[in-house]
Amino acid sequence: AQRVTQPEKLLSVFKGAPVELKCNYSYSGSPELFWYVQYSRQRLQLLLRHISRESIKGFTADLNKGETSFHLKKPFAQEEDSAMYYCALRMDSSYKLIFGSGTRLLVRP
Amino acid sequence: GAVVSQHPSWVICKSGTSVKIECRSLDFQATTMFWYRQFPKQSLMLMATSNEGSKATYEQGVEKDKFLINHASLTLSTLTVTSAHPEDSSFYICSARTPGQGYSNQPQHFGDGTRLSIL
Repeated sequence: AQRVTQPEKLLSVFKGAPVELKCNYSYSGSPELFWYVQYSRQRLQLLLRHISRESIKGFTADLNKGETSFHLKKPFAQEEDSAMYYCALRMDSSYKLIFGSGTRLLVRP
Repeated sequence: GAVVSQHPSWVICKSGTSVKIECRSLDFQATTMFWYRQFPKQSLMLMATSNEGSKATYEQGVEKDKFLINHASLTLSTLTVTSAHPEDSSFYICSARTPGQGYSNQPQHFGDGTRLSIL
């Protein structure tokens, strides 16, 4: 079955420290992977997608098909990065998204 | 652009009543909308896919007679929780897909969610 796993419920780092939010997936086809972010009292919004190969707000994520991972990274965390981060998978030939359980990132001053 | 509005944001009602939640795409036409359910500290779980002008497609384990979905126009989908009970209390979130060709070109845009509390 298709599954997205985010092993960390909470990740706490100090400002300026590197951040890596882990995401692993289970899917036999060709997935499309996303990271969504939810800031306090705001709606869920798209942060980045693997097919775009872009850096958003300093965050990057590379799809590693061998390790079935799509970890989110940022070299220097900022306090405003504190939020809930969800990794999501879209299966090929489908519009549906499968979400991981989310990781709360807390960046301390 | 691509704003999705969800209403109400919070509703409290007695057990046995029916509750309707609206999801609107404000500045685009959404042929497909999605309804999710999120329990505290858990992930978003897709309940159903709402297609304009046709019946909704429900995920396994979701009772279609319990959660009625209507997508009567390109900008509005409604979720009605019928005869709600305390176990239906949850956070319900809708999303809408922007129109276009291909699966990869239309990300989902999410509403603010509706917190439903059944007493």
